[in-house]
Amino acid sequence: DAKTTQPPSMDCAEGRAANLPCNHSTISGNEYVYWYRQIHSQGPQYIIHGLKNNETNEMASLIITEDRKSSTLILPHATLRDTAVYYCIVRSQGVQGAQKLVFGQGTRLTINP
Amino acid sequence: NAGVMQNPRHLVRRRGQEARLRCSPVKGHSHVYWYRQLPEEGLKFMVYLQKENIIDESGMPKERFSAEFPKEGPSILRIQQVVRGDSAAYFCASSPTAVSGNTIYFGEGSWLTVV
Repeated sequence: DAKTTQPPSMDCAEGRAANLPCNHSTISGNEYVYWYRQIHSQGPQYIIHGLKNNETNEMASLIITEDRKSSTLILPHATLRDTAVYYCIVRSQGVQGAQKLVFGQGTRLTINP
Repeated sequence: NAGVMQNPRHLVRRRGQEARLRCSPVKGHSHVYWYRQLPEEGLKFMVYLQKENIIDESGMPKERFSAEFPKEGPSILRIQQVVRGDSAAYFCASSPTAVSGNTIYFGEGSWLTVV
């Protein structure tokens, strides 16, 4: 699986856009970028995923660079409830189908009032 | 977390007892994943199952741990002769197929405490 690199922690003011970077320079052509978050003592929550094109849903936007070596998760109007650990994961295609998700350390995002 | 149901949510076992954790995937999903999260640590993959088959068990401890996903019924993670180090949150996840690009959904977890 391609490795990802994320800053260990970030702060953002409430109401501002939170931009979380992720480097995945060894990503292969058929590997997707997934983002999950985990709020304390809860299960990981799916946010968004993409392959090449930028993606947007009701929670966030995912911007993937043209060379696919990095991406940015954008929470457009952060609220206090967005405080969580955010995981950027590259998911590979294995011999028997898509592989499991491999979690790294993630970015601990703190939204400040 | 779109419909992955785990039970029990909290389980207390004495050392040496058995723990059984159950996971009902999202309706129609045939792929199940189990993860473990030790206190203050990250999520570690344990096992990936498709109906009646273990696809990847590279993260499972060699002894005392087993998992199954029968044709009918929930997936079961079984821990025999539990020790204090097994105290952790165990998360189950499911996906509909093995196709790249599908979404994997997680349950709320089962918290095992060994006393």
